[in-house]
Amino acid sequence: AQKVTQAQTEISVVEKEDVTLDCVYETRDTTYYLFWYKQPPSGELVFLIRRNSFDEQNEISGRYSWNFQKSTSSFNFTITASQVVDSAVYFCALSEAQRGAQKLVFGQGTRLTINP
Amino acid sequence: DTEVTQTPKHLVMGMTNKKSLKCEQHMGHRAMYWYKQKAKKPPELMFVYSYEKLSINESVPSRFSPECPNSSLLNLHLHALQPEDSALYLCASSQDLPRYGYTFGSGTRLTVV
Repeated sequence: AQKVTQAQTEISVVEKEDVTLDCVYETRDTTYYLFWYKQPPSGELVFLIRRNSFDEQNEISGRYSWNFQKSTSSFNFTITASQVVDSAVYFCALSEAQRGAQKLVFGQGTRLTINP
Repeated sequence: DTEVTQTPKHLVMGMTNKKSLKCEQHMGHRAMYWYKQKAKKPPELMFVYSYEKLSINESVPSRFSPECPNSSLLNLHLHALQPEDSALYLCASSQDLPRYGYTFGSGTRLTVV
């Protein structure tokens, strides 16, 4: 079965520092999709990025960047010049096919605290 | 409309009550999902509906009963719940292929007393 590991349970940094959240995944599928979601204290899951297994290009969106490496089964997320509003729980997730349907499997999450 | 709407936002119910959670989307998505999230844990999949048919039931106790009346609506009927069922219940929808991503609702915070 597929598995997503986020080894960092909690990270705390001072505002304006750069921070990287690690994600390692396991899958036997050759076609798969990886996601990052942000969950602020209000509870909703906010979609950040989707990456398919055939696209190893790194992506940058403002202060956010993602590094996808199939060779190490990793999909890491970096926030540059962090801000207090970045404080949230971040989940890495893997989409897998099962019994003709798709399902999203989440890592345990990393609680990120940005201190002023 | 690019939202998944869940009602109610908060629910407190007794162990003998019957209540329902509602989820609605108008994005034309053909797959809908219920997830349960306990505090400080990741969301865990409960049910998947694909084209209005139940595709996946992750061995959820029968006190949780899903229903998909049409392609836009997903309900979760609750009966005889236990205090340990208190959690955030999240609904999501997606196209039938994952490359289009998943859209989550803001959830229902359920407390069983």
